[in-house]
Amino acid sequence: GAGVSQSPSNKVTEKGKDVELRCDPISGHTALYWYRQRLGQGLEFLIYFQGNSAPDKSGLPSDRFSAERTGESVSTLTIQRTQQEDSAVYLCASSHGTNTQYFGPGTRLTVL
Amino acid sequence: EDQVTQSPEALRLQEGESSSLNCSYTVSGLRGLFWYRQDPGKGPEFLFTLYSAGEEKEKERLKATLTKKESFLHITAPKPEDSATYLCAVQALNDYKLSFGAGTTVTVRA
Repeated sequence: GAGVSQSPSNKVTEKGKDVELRCDPISGHTALYWYRQRLGQGLEFLIYFQGNSAPDKSGLPSDRFSAERTGESVSTLTIQRTQQEDSAVYLCASSHGTNTQYFGPGTRLTVL
Repeated sequence: EDQVTQSPEALRLQEGESSSLNCSYTVSGLRGLFWYRQDPGKGPEFLFTLYSAGEEKEKERLKATLTKKESFLHITAPKPEDSATYLCAVQALNDYKLSFGAGTTVTVRA
């Protein structure tokens, strides 16, 4: 079946602009995660959605970051007033409950 | 706080030269330890989950083992297509997020 998909695959933006990243999870997966991968570093947890429960936003680095999810489908990660340190690959994963997480291909964000 | 340390950072192997990657971890109760493979420009691809000390899992030339403090990923007779970055992650009990190490980049020369 189809895996996790993300769009766009690449995004170049200017400092101070807002960006929106999209994630389509595997159909039927109740949980959805966003991670950030900076060059040469491990993946950092950002936010977690599980069904209709309140999301765990504990990993969001600042209030410029926000995310939404509609039911058990698409999620969008929004970064407002982007900064150069926001440049990274943003990865989305989904799972059935707390089982194995399957990742999408990521969105490479470059802030000039 | 959960911590995961992978070593070495990089590993260059000749085709057929077996080796092992290390993942040391500290976690407040382990739900699972995960190995992923990541190719350049792609997302992590799931390889294995290990749940308890003594457990082993194999897939083609890869074998993962787990103790109470670390996990090893053994690569037997590697081929150039095994070149990738291998990521280790832990998930704590009563948690859902994964805590990742920085990865080991493996290059296999023909």
